[in-house]
Amino acid sequence: GQQVQQSPASLVLQEGENAELQCNFSSTATQLQWFYQSPGGSLVSLLSNPSGTKHTGRLTSTTVTKERRSSLHISSSQTTDSGTYLCASDSNYQLIWGSGTKLIIKP
Amino acid sequence: GGIITQTPKFLIGQEGQKLTLKCQQNFNHDTMYWYRQDSGKGLRLIYYSITENDLQKGDLSEGYDASREKKSSFSLTVTSAQKNEMAVFLCASSIDRGPSGNTLYFGEGSRLIVV
Repeated sequence: GQQVQQSPASLVLQEGENAELQCNFSSTATQLQWFYQSPGGSLVSLLSNPSGTKHTGRLTSTTVTKERRSSLHISSSQTTDSGTYLCASDSNYQLIWGSGTKLIIKP
Repeated sequence: GGIITQTPKFLIGQEGQKLTLKCQQNFNHDTMYWYRQDSGKGLRLIYYSITENDLQKGDLSEGYDASREKKSSFSLTVTSAQKNEMAVFLCASSIDRGPSGNTLYFGEGSRLIVV
């Protein structure tokens, strides 16, 4: 079945630097979603991007379906961006989740 | 906007005990989900429901029961709590479950503690 791998497992940056997060999935996917989980645990959807490039605010996601990979770029990072970023891909109508990238932005 | 409310936020029980988590949503969404998140890991699907009184097993359904009594509520029961299943349980809802990139909305999570 579908497997989702995220890298790096953790990333520490200074405020203002750009962050690049990677997600690789093992099988053809019709869904690829990025989520943010706050340090307190609440989870929100950031982007749904099964193919191509999508922008929202300081976030850019690029998914190359043929190569089974997606990236999330965060520009000009802020301390409030700290948290865990999860990607999820579909398999038989279920979302399969990666383990996440823990992002720490230092002031 | 809508909200998903999970109760309780912390559920403490003894090993072997039957424990129930509740979830309410006011989005009027058809599909609801229960996920389990172990520390440092991704989410795993326990059960989902595409409409009232419907139940579909996820990959992690063994040891759990679920109930969709009405469209707005979805409960999850741990049939016999074990110490190795202490985790955060997340409830979510979406308009439907199709591969259309529809958005999942999550509750704040319920942490299970087994003593």
